[in-house]
Amino acid sequence: TQLLEQSPQFLSIQEGENLTVYCNSSSVFSSLQWYRQEPGEGPVLLVTVVTGGEVKKLKRLTFQFGDARKDSSLHITAAQPGDTGLYLCAGPRGSNYKLTFGKGTLLTVNP
Amino acid sequence: NAGVTQTPKFQVLKTGQSMTLQCAQDMNHEYMSWYRQDPGMGLRLIHYSVGAGITDQGEVPNGYNVSRSTTEDFPLRLLSAAPSQTSVYFCASSADSSQPQHFGDGTRLSIL
Repeated sequence: TQLLEQSPQFLSIQEGENLTVYCNSSSVFSSLQWYRQEPGEGPVLLVTVVTGGEVKKLKRLTFQFGDARKDSSLHITAAQPGDTGLYLCAGPRGSNYKLTFGKGTLLTVNP
Repeated sequence: NAGVTQTPKFQVLKTGQSMTLQCAQDMNHEYMSWYRQDPGMGLRLIHYSVGAGITDQGEVPNGYNVSRSTTEDFPLRLLSAAPSQTSVYFCASSADSSQPQHFGDGTRLSIL
């Protein structure tokens, strides 16, 4: 069974601070996806990382895929209240329509 | 710009009742999936479909049935609801096996 462990589970920070959340597995994934989910809504895809060592940037968000394709991280620079939400990592179990999800990191950015 | 539409948004059932959660997508996507999200558990795959007439079990299929008679619709049926099925249910679709999934906004189901 491929498991994804996310840490920390909860994170509360002040506006302007930087933060990193982690997604780790003992299994190799062909790719990893990062989603953000807001209350009452479904997960929304932020990025997919495919190549080991890959770094992708989305404005103030930087995503990295580990060289061995077993782990990933999400770094947010100068967090804003609008970044508040549940951040989920997910990996395909053979195909993208069969995803394994981590339990998520609930981020709160206080003004 | 509908995307994936789930109905109802909220539902309360009594133990033993049956109901169908509806999921419809207007993007002509072949692949559709159902997940449940529980506190502290993340999202878990219930059933999925790779096209009309084709369904298969995911990680936690017990107590749920699905069918896929059209490309657009993928309903999830609870035949005899149990309190353990209290959860938020999400439907997702994708164009092919390599594309990311688009999620609906969920159905919040409580079983008393």
